[in-house]
Amino acid sequence: GENVGLHLPTLSVQEGDNSIINCAYSNSASDYFIWYKQESGKGPQFIIDIRSNMDKRQGQRVTVLLNKTVKHLSLQIAATQPGDSAVYFCAAMYSGGGADGLTFGKGTHLIIQP
Amino acid sequence: NAGVTQTPKFQVLKTGQSMTLQCAQDMNHNSMYWYRQDPGMGLRLIYYSASEGTTDKGEVPNGYNVSRLNKREFSLRLESAAPSQTSVYFCASHKRDRGEAFFGQGTRLTVV
Repeated sequence: GENVGLHLPTLSVQEGDNSIINCAYSNSASDYFIWYKQESGKGPQFIIDIRSNMDKRQGQRVTVLLNKTVKHLSLQIAATQPGDSAVYFCAAMYSGGGADGLTFGKGTHLIIQP
Repeated sequence: NAGVTQTPKFQVLKTGQSMTLQCAQDMNHNSMYWYRQDPGMGLRLIYYSASEGTTDKGEVPNGYNVSRLNKREFSLRLESAAPSQTSVYFCASHKRDRGEAFFGQGTRLTVV
């Protein structure tokens, strides 16, 4: 099965700085990776995804990088704002389906310092 | 467009009681999930259903049963609740080949 892990449980950054949140996965069969944001008291919300045939994908203020060689992905948030304060989860899956479904890491709590 | 609707939002049970958490989605998604979330543990998969009529165990299935009677609904049942099942439960769904999952609001369950 898949085992997804995040490198840091907490990350504190200054408002306006860039944030980088890292994640590792274990299953080489995983070919689809997703980042979620969870605000206090709410369910996780989709931020951005990337398939294994890409190594970089950009959204609005966010970029996801994928390194399949070392099974590592990262989420970069540019010009961090107070509203970015949340817990961020990476998730992995095999898009062809299978019993593992969508596997989540433990999450990194991003704290924005004024 | 309601998305994923999960009920109830809060529940307190006594040890040994049973209950069913309900989940319904209106997005015609094939894949549905039940996760539990505990402090510092992230989201742990309880059960997964790839399509109507099929279910698979996840990381922490003990003490739970599920039912996917139709494409819309995926229920989670606790037959004999234990304090270790105190947690926040989330239902989620997505299209088969897309990982953009939509989550319910969560059920905060306390077993005393």
